[in-house]
Amino acid sequence: QVQLQESGPGLVKPSQTLSLTCTVSGGSISSGGYYWSWIRQHPGKGLEWIGYIYYSGSTYYNPSLKSRVTISVDTSKNQFSLKLSSVTAADTAVYYCARGIPAGGEYYFDYWGQGTLVTVSS
Amino acid sequence: QSVLTQPPSVSGAPGQRVTISCTGSSSNIGAGYDVHWYQQLPGTAPKLLIYGNSNRPSGVPDRFSGSKSGTSASLAITGLQAEDEADYYCQSYDSSLSASYVFGTGTKVTVL
Repeated sequence: QVQLQESGPGLVKPSQTLSLTCTVSGGSISSGGYYWSWIRQHPGKGLEWIGYIYYSGSTYYNPSLKSRVTISVDTSKNQFSLKLSSVTAADTAVYYCARGIPAGGEYYFDYWGQGTLVTVSS
Repeated sequence: QSVLTQPPSVSGAPGQRVTISCTGSSSNIGAGYDVHWYQQLPGTAPKLLIYGNSNRPSGVPDRFSGSKSGTSASLAITGLQAEDEADYYCQSYDSSLSASYVFGTGTKVTVL
């Protein structure tokens, strides 16, 4: 069974960079076929897709966040990471990592991490 | 602001049938992109409920079913149970100028 676990600071100061890592177990990122994604949920709100990375390193970001987002992968550690720069209070959210399965040209998410709350505050 | 609109809430008594709509447009559902559904129990991560419009992953009860027509999709829950009380989200792809994977606004299901 594939499991994903987010880790990183729970508190980030405004204007700084939010950094999170997702560790995958029960499956290898480098085996290919899946799109490793980040999704966030503002408190009491809906879900927002942030972006994904393929094991090869190719990425695709939400246009609304593209200028501030970097997703990277470390296949040797079976991890992928999120960096979100110049954060504000509006970036306070629960951040989830998830596995994307391609289907008909797009994809859906079959396995999710438990989520980690990141608060942006001085 | 999401491009997929869902009713904020639906409710039903145990055993009843409830449906949740997911309304999109010609750049997402109407363009032929699949719709997927997730269930989010309080304080937990979303869980895949329906993929590819109408397919259930292994382990999901057949009380849950999905359908798609035109620019909309629906999730039906038959034989409503107390454990079904949760938030439900649809998801698809939007091919507009800001092409992105998108989620619905979410629907809270309350079991009376």
